[in-house]
Amino acid sequence: LAKTTQPISMDSYEGQEVNITCSHNNIATNDYITWYQQFPSQGPRFIIQGYKTKVTNEVASLFIPADRKSSTLSLPRVSLSDTAVYYCLVGDSWGKLQFGAGTQVVVTP
Amino acid sequence: DTGVSQNPRHKITKRGQNVTFRCDPISEHNRLYWYRQTLGQGPEFLTYFQNEAQLEKSRLLSDRFSAERPKGSFSTLEIQRTEQGDSAMYLCASSPSRGGSYEQYFGPGTRLTVT
Repeated sequence: LAKTTQPISMDSYEGQEVNITCSHNNIATNDYITWYQQFPSQGPRFIIQGYKTKVTNEVASLFIPADRKSSTLSLPRVSLSDTAVYYCLVGDSWGKLQFGAGTQVVVTP
Repeated sequence: DTGVSQNPRHKITKRGQNVTFRCDPISEHNRLYWYRQTLGQGPEFLTYFQNEAQLEKSRLLSDRFSAERPKGSFSTLEIQRTEQGDSAMYLCASSPSRGGSYEQYFGPGTRLTVT
């Protein structure tokens, strides 16, 4: 499983866009990039998954450059309820998840 | 069936006692996972079931830990002779058995405190 590196924390104000970049230099050809969100005292929640280029859903966008050595999770117009830990994961399809320490995002008014 | 459920939500036990946790996955999901999470860290993989078959166990899972999934439905995780280092949140997740998916659905967890 490829190792990922992401910032420990990020601060933002309500209404701003938050971009979290994750580095995964050793990503393998079969690997997908997946992001999870976790609130205190809850299990992680799947946000988005991608393989290349751009993926968008109702919650976030995921940008993956051509070399796939990094990816950026974009949260548009964050609110206080987006305060959480965000995890970037890279791996193949069979489903074993390897979490790092994640990025603590704090949104303030 | 609205999601993965775990019971109990909290468990306080004395060192040396045995504890058992239960996980009920989303009914149509074939895969079931157990993770452990300590404060400030991401979840760590413990073990994984495909239906009733336990396909992988992490080296984190010592001989005091055992997991079962009889009939491929709910799963139990037992810790024997608990130690203070076992204090953590124990998370269960499930996912459908289809290739190319990294989407797992997590339960709320069982918080274990060993005194």
